[in-house]
Amino acid sequence: GAVVSQHPSWVICKSGTSVKIECRSLDFQATTMFWYRQFPKQSLMLMATSNEGSKATYEQGVEKDKFLINHASLTLSTLTVTSAHPEDSSFYICSARIGGTDTGPQHFGDGTRLSIL
Amino acid sequence: GESVGLHLPTLSVQEGDNSIINCAYSNSASDYFIWYKQESGKGPQFIIDIRSNMDKRQGQRVTVLLNKTVKHLSLQIAATQPGDSAVYFCAEGGGNDYKLSFGAGTTVTVRA
Repeated sequence: GAVVSQHPSWVICKSGTSVKIECRSLDFQATTMFWYRQFPKQSLMLMATSNEGSKATYEQGVEKDKFLINHASLTLSTLTVTSAHPEDSSFYICSARIGGTDTGPQHFGDGTRLSIL
Repeated sequence: GESVGLHLPTLSVQEGDNSIINCAYSNSASDYFIWYKQESGKGPQFIIDIRSNMDKRQGQRVTVLLNKTVKHLSLQIAATQPGDSAVYFCAEGGGNDYKLSFGAGTTVTVRA
């Protein structure tokens, strides 16, 4: 149980292109999803918290207009990297937690490797 | 700001031996701690978690120990196997936002 699917797994595109990444919870409803960014040999850095039916909450230093997040349903959140540039190349990972009031584990997707040429 | 950190970035262990991975945290308000395993090119995989009202929790071949006095967390892996080779992250959380703060990660390599 608690499977999170992320798509696509790998994207290569030209500078200036916008890229959309999908994060789906397959067997549970997720009122809250999280988007992380991970550079090689580094830890996960939280970018934003995605809340179903409301605006995302961004971490300090993350550009809201650059990284658009939409959490339109209880099983889907999307991250759009707008006008991507080479410095946006990274491993983007989403996670979801099962709804409820208790703190519990976040379940992660297998990430999207984004390469901007 | 406060963050979670790991004492050692790498750990080499002989197959069959026990592994111990350590983690220090600095946010005394954290009340939830979790260990993840990340294999190359994949997302983190949940291993085990523990709440601040406990000091030990066991799973299958894994044990997490929490020492709130010195703000220390450890993960013990019994009879380490080649499939245990990965990067291990500790993370802390707490509060109503459910956010997790991740440590730097320890790379575990199992020698045959």
